Amino acid sequence: SQQGEEDPQALSIQEGENATMNCSYKTSINNLQWYRQNSGRGLVHLILIRSNEREKHSGRLRVTLDTSKKSSSLLITASRAADTASYFCATPPLAGNMLTFGGGTRLMVKP
Amino acid sequence: DARVTQTPRHKVTEMGQEVTMRCQPILGHNTVFWYRQTMMQGLELLAYFRNRAPLDDSGMPKDRFSAEMPDATLATLKIQPSEPRDSAVYFCASGLDPFRWSNQPQHFGDGTRLSIL
Repeated sequence: SQQGEEDPQALSIQEGENATMNCSYKTSINNLQWYRQNSGRGLVHLILIRSNEREKHSGRLRVTLDTSKKSSSLLITASRAADTASYFCATPPLAGNMLTFGGGTRLMVKP
Repeated sequence: DARVTQTPRHKVTEMGQEVTMRCQPILGHNTVFWYRQTMMQGLELLAYFRNRAPLDDSGMPKDRFSAEMPDATLATLKIQPSEPRDSAVYFCASGLDPFRWSNQPQHFGDGTRLSIL
């Protein structure tokens, strides 16, 4: 069973708009990670947020984490066509390195 | 930029044949993971190695799949005999964990797209 579930499953926006993706998970975590996957390629790590952090920024990315609600969100500001990809959240268990990935959000940014 | 290298990128073969997929992790990384990605099941962890020792392969069908790390620069995933339901994209990822459970990011290769006819 999947630990993380992304919402929405698909998102289509215009270039310049912001994109928000949500992730919910089931068990306690040490950290939560977001990855991007371009078509036909492997996953690329974007950002890691630890369980004692509430918000983290990296360039145009903003990640929030609410451990009380077991949820996280990824915001991409001023989106570009090159941001078109699938985005996955991933969580390791408290005792383990094995990441469990959600089903992903497919983002399409139209020029 | 250091990259995880997977070969072959594509493989088409008939059911019953042996399939071997290879992965060269990033030099210096001490953890290696094998994943399978399908539309129906998403990303599934098949096996996990730390310092070349298998730590978890509970996600791997034992009767036909095997994963090994003959040395620190090579990880292999074998399927024998292959079946049509094994068709998927298989990813290898590596990471650097200075201590166990440090949960560092994983670096993925571009996968092997496997089709079993």
